[in-house]
Amino acid sequence: ENVLTQSPGTVSLSPGERATLSCRASQSVAGNYLAWYQQKPGQAPRLLIYHAYNRATGVPDRFSGSGSGTDFTLTISRLGPEDFAVYYCQQYGSSPITFGQGTRLEIK
Amino acid sequence: QVQLQESGPGLVKPSQTLSLTCTVSGDSISSGNYYWSWTRQQPGKGLEWIGYIHHSGSTHYTPSLQNRLTISIDTSRNQFFLHLTSVTAADTAVYYCAKAVPVYFDPWGQGVLVTVSS
Repeated sequence: ENVLTQSPGTVSLSPGERATLSCRASQSVAGNYLAWYQQKPGQAPRLLIYHAYNRATGVPDRFSGSGSGTDFTLTISRLGPEDFAVYYCQQYGSSPITFGQGTRLEIK
Repeated sequence: QVQLQESGPGLVKPSQTLSLTCTVSGDSISSGNYYWSWTRQQPGKGLEWIGYIHHSGSTHYTPSLQNRLTISIDTSRNQFFLHLTSVTAADTAVYYCAKAVPVYFDPWGQGVLVTVSS
């Protein structure tokens, strides 16, 4: 299976700063079929990005995805107070579908 | 817009079968080339994809659970189901259903906590 490793595990930033989250795959992700989700405590995950760089409906444009092959990045250009959460990447280019272990974005 | 809601027992005894229902509203479960998916999250842990089903009945399961897992669908009721046999404490988790478009997940249900304990 395609193992996804996210880094850092936890990042502490202040509102207004830029966040850069990494997701590295053990094998090339076919079709760049990679998604990013945001999860807040007690809530279900929310789709942010699909196909590596496409924003889901209603997602603010401060969220952007990039990358290809085995290395992908989620960037949040200017952190709002509502952006502090756990972020997961997911690959769906090969079976089984796999998720990264998550990056916790916390307020500094 | 489409909404999903999980339901089922919150407590299951070890060795028994965990059965959950996902009810879909705002969309027909038979429309389009979508799959309907289950994912779980053990307490304090990350997300684990379980499997998904197409309205044709075609299924895909994660290898680690496929020997214990059945996902089924009832298009007349706009529902799909999860059955996991021979459960242990390791199956304690929040179980989420989601629409797979066709293999990224949007939207998700709110999730249901299932605890395996005697």
